[in-house]
Amino acid sequence: GEEVAQTPKHLVRGEGQKAKLYCAPIKGHSYVFWYQQVLKNEFKFLISFQNENVFDETGMPKERFSAKCLPNSPCSLEIQATKLEDSAVYFCASSPNRGGRDSYNEQFFGPGTRLTVL
Amino acid sequence: AQKITQTQPGMFVQEKEAVTLDCTYDTSDQSYGLFWYKQPSSGEMIFLIYQGSYDEQNATEGRYSLNFQKARKSANLVISASQLGDSAMYFCAMREGYGNNRLAFGKGNQVVVIP
Repeated sequence: GEEVAQTPKHLVRGEGQKAKLYCAPIKGHSYVFWYQQVLKNEFKFLISFQNENVFDETGMPKERFSAKCLPNSPCSLEIQATKLEDSAVYFCASSPNRGGRDSYNEQFFGPGTRLTVL
Repeated sequence: AQKITQTQPGMFVQEKEAVTLDCTYDTSDQSYGLFWYKQPSSGEMIFLIYQGSYDEQNATEGRYSLNFQKARKSANLVISASQLGDSAMYFCAMREGYGNNRLAFGKGNQVVVIP
């Protein structure tokens, strides 16, 4: 598609429950990024993929968070045993790979999934 | 350490006036990219403008222009002829290196345009 799609729009979980978020990148984009936005202004990078391979996972809290991008499927971000502090908007972004020193490879953002942990 | 700094408090600007949003950054990379995004109250992230570290000229995109001062490590966004629809949070972000590295975001500037 022409836009990054994210589902669901809203997700409510009790503390300790699992949460799974989905992202369909723009067709033809090789890179997918996950960001967490807390309190409307702090963005935290979580993980990125180049096609189905992890590209950068330095932002991922390893214990409870996992992510995948499998061929012919939406990418997913899963949080096992959610905690109150996981409440945030989770954005997925995709970008093309134009290559070259001067290419900017803009990241196109999806509408986000608002996760509320009660 | 904070890589992107946006320190202005919320700003009110009169419709049709220009507004400048400050952004300073910190990197030791020679190659990097600077982005500005707009986030209205509806929550989506809208790309506005990009400046590459090797670009000689300041980027412009319609009513948006980027005042890039490399030696000062600043990349201020200028919105000319403000419109009511410009009311939003504005985020400055940096990609270190080139290619598809992650973005580091500032904490944003709130802009309210008043008629």
